[in-house]
Amino acid sequence: TQLLEQSPQFLSIQEGENLTVYCNSSSVFSSLQWYRQEPGEGPVLLVTVVTGGEVKKLKRLTFQFGDARKDSSLHITAAQTGDTGLYLCAGRSNFGNEKLTFGTGTRLTIIP
Amino acid sequence: EPEVTQTPSHQVTQMGQEVILRCVPISNHLYFYWYRQILGQKVEFLVSFYNNEISEKSEIFDDQFSVERPDGSNFTLKIRSTKLEDSAMYFCASSEPGRGLYEKLFFGSGTQLSVL
Repeated sequence: TQLLEQSPQFLSIQEGENLTVYCNSSSVFSSLQWYRQEPGEGPVLLVTVVTGGEVKKLKRLTFQFGDARKDSSLHITAAQTGDTGLYLCAGRSNFGNEKLTFGTGTRLTIIP
Repeated sequence: EPEVTQTPSHQVTQMGQEVILRCVPISNHLYFYWYRQILGQKVEFLVSFYNNEISEKSEIFDDQFSVERPDGSNFTLKIRSTKLEDSAMYFCASSEPGRGLYEKLFFGSGTQLSVL
């Protein structure tokens, strides 16, 4: 069974600070995605990383896939209150259209 | 942007009753999924559906569960005899073909199922 552990589980920081969220596994993934989920809504895809060591930027969010494709990180620069939400990593072992294995989630709260 | 719609948003049922959760995937999508999220726990895969048949299912998806695409637009999840532990938020998702590892799942807003 593949597991994706996210840390920290909860994070509260002041607006304007930087933060990093981690997604770790002992398994290798062919691709890894990051989603954000707001209360009462389904997860919304932020990014997909495929290549070991890959870095992708989405405005103030920087995503990195580990060299061995077992872990990933999400770094937010100058956090804003609109970044508040549940951040989920999710991986696939093989090709597309197979099931996603979701991580345990990081609930982020940005304090004004 | 097109979206996946799910009905009802909330469903309360008695243990042992049958429930049907309904989803309308995005119209040009060919892959369909059900996931669930028990309160405070992670999102779990239930089943994937392609070309009018199940392509993959998890251990959770036992004989009490079934899926159907009855009319080319709806995608339903049926639980024949609900148990207390089936209480969860159920998410439907769909994706378009041909994106491989970059497949993007579009999730609905979910149906909160409460089994009493």
